[in-house]
Amino acid sequence: DVVLTQTPPTLSATIGQSVSISCRSSQSLLHSNGNTYLHWLLQRPGQSPQLLIYSVSRLESGVPNRFSGSGSGTDFTLKISGVEAEDLGVYYCVQGTHAPPWTFGGGTKLELK
Amino acid sequence: QVTLKESGPGMLQPSKTLSLTCSFSGFSLSTSGMVVSWIRQPSGKSLEWLAAIDWDGDKYYNPSLKSRLTVSKDTSNTQVFLKITSVDIADTATYYCARDGSFDYWGQGVMVTVSS
Repeated sequence: DVVLTQTPPTLSATIGQSVSISCRSSQSLLHSNGNTYLHWLLQRPGQSPQLLIYSVSRLESGVPNRFSGSGSGTDFTLKISGVEAEDLGVYYCVQGTHAPPWTFGGGTKLELK
Repeated sequence: QVTLKESGPGMLQPSKTLSLTCSFSGFSLSTSGMVVSWIRQPSGKSLEWLAAIDWDGDKYYNPSLKSRLTVSKDTSNTQVFLKITSVDIADTATYYCARDGSFDYWGQGVMVTVSS
């Protein structure tokens, strides 16, 4: 199975600060069809996860454009350009290129400094 | 409007079979390419994908749990079911169902506690 390693495990930020989260895969996530199925989720406290970005860099409908995703192969990054209070929670990357099984990263908790 | 909602027993004893239901609306599982997954999350831990069923009735399982899992759907394509046999304390978690391979919609989750 593909292992996704997220760093850092915890991230402290002030409101307005820009932050990045890394997701590294044990295998290339480039599918034979040319797509890369690496997605980013946010789980706010007490809530279900929600999709933020799919296929590396595509913003899900309704998600603020301060969120952006980049990367290729085995290294991927989620960036938040100007953290807002509603962004606090745990971020997960998930891959579907080598599914099944779909696999999730261990999570990065974003908290206020 | 897409919605999903999980339901289950809340609590059950070790060695029993856990039966979960995901009821959804706003989309059809008979649509080509559609898939519904089950994912679980022990308290304070990360997410674990368990199983999925697609529009064509094909079923997919996490190899680490495959012998204990059965996923199915109803004939009206508005519900997906998951059975987990021989549960133990390690199966205590919140269980979610989610739509599509990108998990674009999630249910609210159902908490399941395995305890004697």
